[in-house]
Amino acid sequence: GAVVSQHPSWVICKSGTSVKIECRSLDFQATTMFWYRQFPKQSLMLMATSNEGSKATYEQGVEKDKFLINHASLTLSTLTVTSAHPEDSSFYICSARVRGTTDTQYFGPGTRLTVL
Amino acid sequence: QKEVEQNSGPLSVPEGAIASLNCTYSDRGSQSFFWYRQYSGKSPELIMSIYSNGDKEDGRFTAQLNKASQYVSLLIRDSQPSDSATYLCAVHASGGSYIPTFGRGTSLIVHP
Repeated sequence: GAVVSQHPSWVICKSGTSVKIECRSLDFQATTMFWYRQFPKQSLMLMATSNEGSKATYEQGVEKDKFLINHASLTLSTLTVTSAHPEDSSFYICSARVRGTTDTQYFGPGTRLTVL
Repeated sequence: QKEVEQNSGPLSVPEGAIASLNCTYSDRGSQSFFWYRQYSGKSPELIMSIYSNGDKEDGRFTAQLNKASQYVSLLIRDSQPSDSATYLCAVHASGGSYIPTFGRGTSLIVHP
């Protein structure tokens, strides 16, 4: 139980294009999903907290117009990197918190984005 | 600013030994503590959670929490080469937001 999927697992795109990453909770409902970014040999950096049916809450320093988050249902959240640049190349990981709980979050497998 | 500190390592232990990983946190009101394991190029996977002072055991893993010292640790008994990974400590902020703060992780190497 508590499986989170991400799609795609990796993507290569040209500078200036937009990339959408999907995060799905497969066997549970997730009222809250988190989006993280991780650069090589660094820890997870929380980008935003996404609650179903409401606007995402972004962490300080994260541009909400560049990283568009949509949490349209209890099982799906998307992150769109708009006008991607090489410095956006990173490992993007989502996690989901089981509905009705406040603690444990389960991570998706991550999406490796490379911007050329 | 809430902080979670971990020694980045690497911590190198021989196969079969006990690996001890440590974590300190700054938010005295924190209530929930988690250890994750992350293999290179993969996302974190939950190992254990702990909420009360003392020890919590799960198989070869034991989490220890001391809220007075703001210290949480993870012991891995009978370490195996497959335990070689980065171990992340996560603490949930006080105040009801339950937003996690992660440490930078400790790299563990278990050599045969």
